[in-house]
Amino acid sequence: EDQVTQSPEALRLQEGESSSLNCSYTVSGLRGLFWYRQDPGKGPEFLFTLYSAGEEKEKERLKATLTKKESFLHITAPKPEDSATYLCAVQARYGGATNKLIFGTGTLLAVQP
Amino acid sequence: NAGVTQTPKFRILKIGQSMTLQCTQDMNHNYMYWYRQDPGMGLKLIYYSVGAGITDKGEVPNGYNVSRSTTEDFPLRLELAAPSQTSVYFCASSYSMSLAGGDEQYFGPGTRLTVT
Repeated sequence: EDQVTQSPEALRLQEGESSSLNCSYTVSGLRGLFWYRQDPGKGPEFLFTLYSAGEEKEKERLKATLTKKESFLHITAPKPEDSATYLCAVQARYGGATNKLIFGTGTLLAVQP
Repeated sequence: NAGVTQTPKFRILKIGQSMTLQCTQDMNHNYMYWYRQDPGMGLKLIYYSVGAGITDKGEVPNGYNVSRSTTEDFPLRLELAAPSQTSVYFCASSYSMSLAGGDEQYFGPGTRLTVT
């Protein structure tokens, strides 16, 4: 069964304290892994897409990496405005020519000043 | 570009009532999706559409219906609302579904629905 597991469920950091969020997955036929940021009461906001093991993407203080079984979202010197829930989703084939996104339950990140 | 817009933002329904959640995108995306998000659960796909006039069921379609008469609009219909449909509903769209890029989904702000 296709599955996405994110850890930890919640993470509290001090401003400037770097850390990593994990997304492990089991899926037959990975067709991309996506990272989203979700603020309270808002829709998920797209951050990165990774398609193959070894690929890396960066945006400001965030860096996403991908292996054959997991992805990491590294946060360097975080600021309070980085506080949000970070969602990971893997894209798999869903019959015919369409794909589906399988979402993890997210990591709630709180960065304290 | 407004992106993906949804109305209403909040709604309270009584059991057995019906309603339509509206979704519009102005990015000329062919692919559109409806998800529900429940506490402690990942987003679950309700229905999706690969173009005007073409829709199909996702993982949790029971109790819902959709239509897609234009590229821009993808309304979700709830018939005979039940407490189990209390959730936050998100509409999303994407340009493609290929590995060549453009398949990231863009989400609307959501509709928070309570059925009592």
